[in-house]
Amino acid sequence: EVQLVESGGGLVQPGRSLRLSCAASGFTFDDYAMHWVRQAPGKGLEWVSGISWNSGSIGYADSVKGRFTISRDNAKNSLYLQMNSLRAEDTALYYCAKVLAGDLSSAFDIWGQGTMVTVSS
Amino acid sequence: QSALTQPASVSGSPGQSITISCTGTSSDVGGYNYVSWYQQHPGKAPKLMIYDVSNRPSGVSNRFSGSKSGNTASLTISGLQAEDEADYYCSSYTSSSTQVVFGGGTKLTVL
Repeated sequence: EVQLVESGGGLVQPGRSLRLSCAASGFTFDDYAMHWVRQAPGKGLEWVSGISWNSGSIGYADSVKGRFTISRDNAKNSLYLQMNSLRAEDTALYYCAKVLAGDLSSAFDIWGQGTMVTVSS
Repeated sequence: QSALTQPASVSGSPGQSITISCTGTSSDVGGYNYVSWYQQHPGKAPKLMIYDVSNRPSGVSNRFSGSKSGNTASLTISGLQAEDEADYYCSSYTSSSTQVVFGGGTKLTVL
């Protein structure tokens, strides 16, 4: 079964850091680009960041550029999101998502259940 | 980057058809055939319903269809059923460094 399981969320103070992980199983991880998408409570989906299969192409939403870093470890079938200088507006459920067909432009066919990040003092 | 524009809400009766629009620019919706649509029920992760403008993933009902004209994409749901009541989001690949942009979402109510 194709599965994505996020972890690492929690309550953190403004200005602090957090690292999210996404464990992939059931597919050949290094054949696919991966993305992070977030959803603030009661709000819509917001794309956060994406990374190609070999980490050669990376992109970020303007709202997180310079603060968040996406990475992956294909040997461990894992995707990561390092979040620094966190703000209240980063409070959201963070999903990792697999693309349908290998590259970054493809739709997201598999989503994890999300990990909640709450930024508050 | 600006989100794609969707109506906040649409509604229809069981058996009817509805269409949700998604308007972008020539840098995203109009420039690529990489528009996708997602269904999200409360408390659940999004589910891919349409990819590459008009393709349905395996297992998605043929009551769902997608199309595009210029900078506007559309999702049509025919033969509305109670279980179709959900939030729907469009997204598109974009030529900017941000890669992907979502619409603001549309709440579908089945009357």
